[in-house]
Amino acid sequence: GENVEQHPSTLSVQEGDSAVIKCTYSDSASNYFPWYKQELGKGPQLIIDIRSNVGEKKDQRIAVTLNKTAKHFSLHITETQPEDSAVYFCAAITASKLTFGTGTRLQVTL
Amino acid sequence: EAGVVQSPRYKIIEKKQPVAFWCNPISGHNTLYWYRQNLGQGPELLIRYENEEAVDDSQLPKDRFSAERLKGVDSTLKIQPAELGDSAVYLCASSTQWEGYEQFFGPGTRLTVL
Repeated sequence: GENVEQHPSTLSVQEGDSAVIKCTYSDSASNYFPWYKQELGKGPQLIIDIRSNVGEKKDQRIAVTLNKTAKHFSLHITETQPEDSAVYFCAAITASKLTFGTGTRLQVTL
Repeated sequence: EAGVVQSPRYKIIEKKQPVAFWCNPISGHNTLYWYRQNLGQGPELLIRYENEEAVDDSQLPKDRFSAERLKGVDSTLKIQPAELGDSAVYLCASSTQWEGYEQFFGPGTRLTVL
């Protein structure tokens, strides 16, 4: 089955700096890669996604890149704000099953 | 529009006791998922429903877990008997289609088995 690895497990940045989270996947058949943000006591919430026919997607301060050849994709958050502090999960879909990474705890300090 | 509703939000039981979780998906979403999220980990799929049919239950521990989705709307996940290792957050999600479409998650039920 699919295996998704995510790094780093924790990330601390100062407000205004950029944050980058990286993921790799194992199954070349994966074709959809969502990123979720999970705040304490809440369920994961989709923040951005990318499909395998696209290399990059941007939504305001958030961008995602996908390298199908290398089987890795990354989340970039620019101009980080305290409200960006949360746990972020990457995921990949293969054969209708969504497999999550282990999560990155992002802390944005003032 | 209301999101995915789950109840209870928290449950504490002793081992060997039964427990049930309830989920009401977003109106019109025909696909419903149950996930288990262990502490410090990502969610892991337990079962996926298309309307009232369980189309993927390969990760559901069938000796003690059961699920149903009567009438293709609400769903219940049951554990009987619960074990210490079942302590986790149980998340319900729904979507309009099952592949490549956004899954909307509920707040989860945090289960503690003593």
